[in-house]
Amino acid sequence: KAGVTQTPRYLIKTRGQQVTLSCSPISGHRSVSWYQQTPGQGLQFLFEYFSETQRNKGNFPGRFSGRQFSNSRSEMNVSTLELGDSALYLCASSWAGLVAGDVEQYFGPGTRLTVT
Amino acid sequence: GENVEQHPSTLSVQEGDSAVIKCTYSDSASNYFPWYKQELGKGPQLIIDIRSNVGEKKDQRIAVTLNKTAKHFSLHITETQPEDSAVYFCSNGYNKLIFGAGTRLAVHP
Repeated sequence: KAGVTQTPRYLIKTRGQQVTLSCSPISGHRSVSWYQQTPGQGLQFLFEYFSETQRNKGNFPGRFSGRQFSNSRSEMNVSTLELGDSALYLCASSWAGLVAGDVEQYFGPGTRLTVT
Repeated sequence: GENVEQHPSTLSVQEGDSAVIKCTYSDSASNYFPWYKQELGKGPQLIIDIRSNVGEKKDQRIAVTLNKTAKHFSLHITETQPEDSAVYFCSNGYNKLIFGAGTRLAVHP
């Protein structure tokens, strides 16, 4: 079974631009969560989508948004990019979603975003 | 708020020795405690997890223990090998996962 895939793997953007990242979960998984990983803040939860609905949200500004399609693929959008948005963006999929409280999440390789 | 403290931040051992990483959490509602291994240039890989109704779980050279009363959980790696070198993250949660800051483990041949 194929793992979680993320595209693109690397991205360079300029301050003020917007960016869209894509995540395809493991086949059969309905939940996709997004995380931001930086050396200073570590792994931080952005939001989770389950059956096209956002179920949980972390403490990030409204510039960070996402959506999920009927095939469970998810996209994350960051508008008005800031230098501090440079990070590795990871998505993770699971079959039942985090509300169940105890299901395994499997991560993709991430998208390395650099904002200049 | 919710947080997870992870210690140590770096750990250096000789091949064949054991390694122990400890975490403390604050969210009493947490019932799921996964551990992840992240190698350079890759996403975190789930290596073992434990549910709140279990005190200990073992998978070959890896074991996890959980003390819900003290809100502590630990990862134990025995007979370490150079390929165990990576960054390890503890995490826990109920409706979202909170991660520790990570432990960089170096296993020297």
